Amino acid sequence: SQKIEQNSEALNIQEGKTATLTCNYTNYSPAYLQWYRQDPGRGPVFLLLIRENEKEKRKERLKVTFDTTLKQSLFHITASQPADSATYLCALDTGRRALTFGSGTRLQVQP
Amino acid sequence: GAGVSQSPSNKVTEKGKDVELRCDPISGHTALYWYRQSLGQGLEFLIYFQGNSAPDKSGLPSDRFSAERTGGSVSTLTIQRTQQEDSAVYLCASTPGRGSSTNEKLFFGSGTQLSVL
Repeated sequence: SQKIEQNSEALNIQEGKTATLTCNYTNYSPAYLQWYRQDPGRGPVFLLLIRENEKEKRKERLKVTFDTTLKQSLFHITASQPADSATYLCALDTGRRALTFGSGTRLQVQP
Repeated sequence: GAGVSQSPSNKVTEKGKDVELRCDPISGHTALYWYRQSLGQGLEFLIYFQGNSAPDKSGLPSDRFSAERTGGSVSTLTIQRTQQEDSAVYLCASTPGRGSSTNEKLFFGSGTQLSVL
């Protein structure tokens, strides 16, 4: 079956460390992959988009990689801060007309 | 407006009642999406509008769900004869609609929390 998997367990890290979140997918060949941040009681907010022919994309302290062979994207936040605490969602182009989202991983950065 | 606006922010209803949820997209955005997010779950696609094209209704879970988009702007999601399993956050998003439907970033509203008692 077609699936998008993100670690359902919360990721707890210390301030200043690098957080790494994983998005795995099966049976898709997405042309694009997007990452969003969602805070409690709010809608998701777009962070980064990476295309299938791009290995890596950076924006300030954020880095996304996209490995179409492994069918995996990694999302990194360097020098993490308590303000980075949120749920992070990956979303794929799965051939339908709207993005398909994973269930998200909650990140908690401890001061 | 500056962002996507959804109303009401919270809606409590009794099982069997009909509800209407409203979405005002960003001005000039031609593409509009409805998603549903159940507690602790990812976003479930419901319906997609693009300009004057026929909407993509492939995500609607049952015929109790319907949506309209009048004048290419405001959209209303209607749930008839609500059930307890309809309880969720209903999120609306819009995009300019210039690219394909999946390579544009989505601008989300804050959602409507629907609780069916």
